[in-house]
Amino acid sequence: EAGVTQSPTHLIKTRGQQATLRCSPISGHTSVYWYQQALGLGLQFLLWYDEGEERNRGNFPPRFSGRQFPNYSSELNVNALELEDSALYLCASSLAGPTMSYTFGSGTRLTVV
Amino acid sequence: QKEVEQNSGPLSVPEGAIASLNCTYSDRGSQSFFWYRQYSGKSPELIMSIYSNGDKEDGRFTAQLNKASQYVSLLIRDSQPSDSATYLCAVNSGGFKTIFGAGTRLFVKA
Repeated sequence: EAGVTQSPTHLIKTRGQQATLRCSPISGHTSVYWYQQALGLGLQFLLWYDEGEERNRGNFPPRFSGRQFPNYSSELNVNALELEDSALYLCASSLAGPTMSYTFGSGTRLTVV
Repeated sequence: QKEVEQNSGPLSVPEGAIASLNCTYSDRGSQSFFWYRQYSGKSPELIMSIYSNGDKEDGRFTAQLNKASQYVSLLIRDSQPSDSATYLCAVNSGGFKTIFGAGTRLFVKA
């Protein structure tokens, strides 16, 4: 069974540009979660998508947005990039329900210069 | 107050010893509790999940939950150098999102 796949692995952007990160969940998983992990810090919740809808978002500005497609894959968009957006962005998927654990992808390392 | 709190460590234990990792959470309505392990430069991977008070054992790992005290712990018996990693406590309060603690760094000395 294929795991959660994220692309690209690394992304280098200039301040002010836009970044698009992609995630494909495990087959059968309908929920996709996005987390930001800045260097040396914990996982900060960004967004939760389930069945194509945004279910919840963390304390991030509106320039962080995303969507979930009919095949449950997801895209995270970050507009007007700032230097402090440099981080590892992790996508996780799960079956629906609060008791379900997450399976994480290997992440996208975003560097803003 | 942070929603999920962990001692950042580092926690250093000798090989073969028991490593004890602790976590407290603020939401009394929390239902699901997880421990993830994250090696440096890698993504987190699930080690244990626990949903009811008491102990749950899986190999060398034991998760302990005390909802009255809002406390979750992870014990690692016979610690090995390969257990050296950051351990993340995660709590779900009912389907909205899972909140992760900042993690405890564990070093197991050979």
